Amino acid sequence: GQNIDQPTEMTATEGAIVQINCTYQTSGFNGLFWYQQHAGEAPTFLSYNVLDGLEEKGRFSSFLSRSKGYSYLLLKELQMKDSASYLCAVEYGNKLVFGAGTILRVKS
Amino acid sequence: ETGVTQTPRHLVMGMTNKKSLKCEQHLGHNAMYWYKQSAKKPLELMFVYNFKEQTENNSVPSRFSPECPNSSHLFLHLHTLQPEDSALYLCASSQERGGAFYEQYFGPGTRLTVT
Repeated sequence: GQNIDQPTEMTATEGAIVQINCTYQTSGFNGLFWYQQHAGEAPTFLSYNVLDGLEEKGRFSSFLSRSKGYSYLLLKELQMKDSASYLCAVEYGNKLVFGAGTILRVKS
Repeated sequence: ETGVTQTPRHLVMGMTNKKSLKCEQHLGHNAMYWYKQSAKKPLELMFVYNFKEQTENNSVPSRFSPECPNSSHLFLHLHTLQPEDSALYLCASSQERGGAFYEQYFGPGTRLTVT
C-alpha cells in the first residue's frame, strides 16, 4: 500500500516552534506536498519538496529525505491562527495520496 | 479565495434523492479532481479529469457519476446514496504539463449529509 503516516494531534504554545513529521512508502515517489486546512475550509498549499533538503518559506519550512521516506513541516513563531490540520500528501505517478492530517492546537 | 468555487456548500438528501454537486475553476487549469473527506480519515481521491477526459476512477461506486463538460466545470451526480456517503466533498484543480505535477487548488467543499 501507499500509507502516509503522520501524528493525529499536536499541541504547542504561541511563539514556540513545532515540527510535524510524515513518513511514507518510498516506492514510486515523485514528490511531497504539505497543505494547511482550517476547520470548515479548503486545504491550501504550503510547500512542495522533490529533492532532499530544507525548503524555507517565511515561518514555515519543509524538509525531505527521499531515501528515508521522511518529511517534516517546521512552523516557527507559532501564532493562534496556525491552529489547523496539516496534511502531508505524496505524489505517486500521477496520483496524490494524502495522510489523515495532523491537528495542531496552538495555546496561549 | 482559491479560484475554485463549489455549490452547494451544504446538502441534505434522502437515500432515494438525486442531486448534483457543481465545481467551477477560474484559474485556467486543465485538470480537475473530486475528493471525499470523512472525519479523521485521509482525503480520498475519487475521480480525475485531465483535458476533460477521465483519467482516474478510484474504485468509486456507480451511485457517484462525474461529468466534465469543459476544462472549467466539473459535476458530481449523486443518486441512491447511503448514510456512509455523508462527508465533505472537495473539488480541486491543477495545471498538468507533460506529466509534471503541480499543486492542486481546492474549493471550499460541499458538506453532504445523507439521511
